[in-house]
Amino acid sequence: KAGVTQTPRYLIKTRGQQVTLSCSPISGHRSVSWYQQTPGQGLQFLFEYFSETQRNKGNFPGRFSGRQFSNSRSEMNVSTLELGDSALYLCASSPHRTSDLGNEQFFGPGTRLTVL
Amino acid sequence: KNEVEQSPQNLTAQEGEFITINCSYSVGISALHWLQQHPGGGIVSLFMLSSGKKKHGRLIATINIQEKHSSLHITASHPRDSAVYICAVSFMDSNYQLIWGAGTKLIIKP
Repeated sequence: KAGVTQTPRYLIKTRGQQVTLSCSPISGHRSVSWYQQTPGQGLQFLFEYFSETQRNKGNFPGRFSGRQFSNSRSEMNVSTLELGDSALYLCASSPHRTSDLGNEQFFGPGTRLTVL
Repeated sequence: KNEVEQSPQNLTAQEGEFITINCSYSVGISALHWLQQHPGGGIVSLFMLSSGKKKHGRLIATINIQEKHSSLHITASHPRDSAVYICAVSFMDSNYQLIWGAGTKLIIKP
């Protein structure tokens, strides 16, 4: 079974631009969660999508948004980029919602975003 | 406040040593995850625990629900075990969002 894939792996943008990151979950997985990792803040939860609906959201501004398609692939969008958005963005897929007992998440390699 | 604390923050050991990384959390959880992150960013899920003990190869994870504490052990450590090990907890009263520990940077010297 192929693992979680994320594209692109690396991205350089400038302040004010917007960016779209993509995550393809493991086949059969219906939940996709997004995380931001920065040196200062560690790993922080952005949001979770399950069956095309956002089920959970972390404490991030509205500039961060996402969606999930019928094939469970998910995209994350960041508008009006700021320098502080430079981070590693990780997605994780799981068969069920993350709130389900016994549900394990499988992580992708991440997209490293640099905002200049 | 839901918190996850890991110790130590940094750990350097010689090849072959027995390694222990600790994780403590504040309130009731639904599950605790141990993850490994290598330089370059990729994260691998090692274990997910809600009780007891799990073993995979040279890795052992234990959790004590009463004491709100988990440990990750590495037996016969090897330089390829060098990575950041992260404890993440799914708290019942935070809508099951994963709260992450700060990570333990492990270096195994040959």
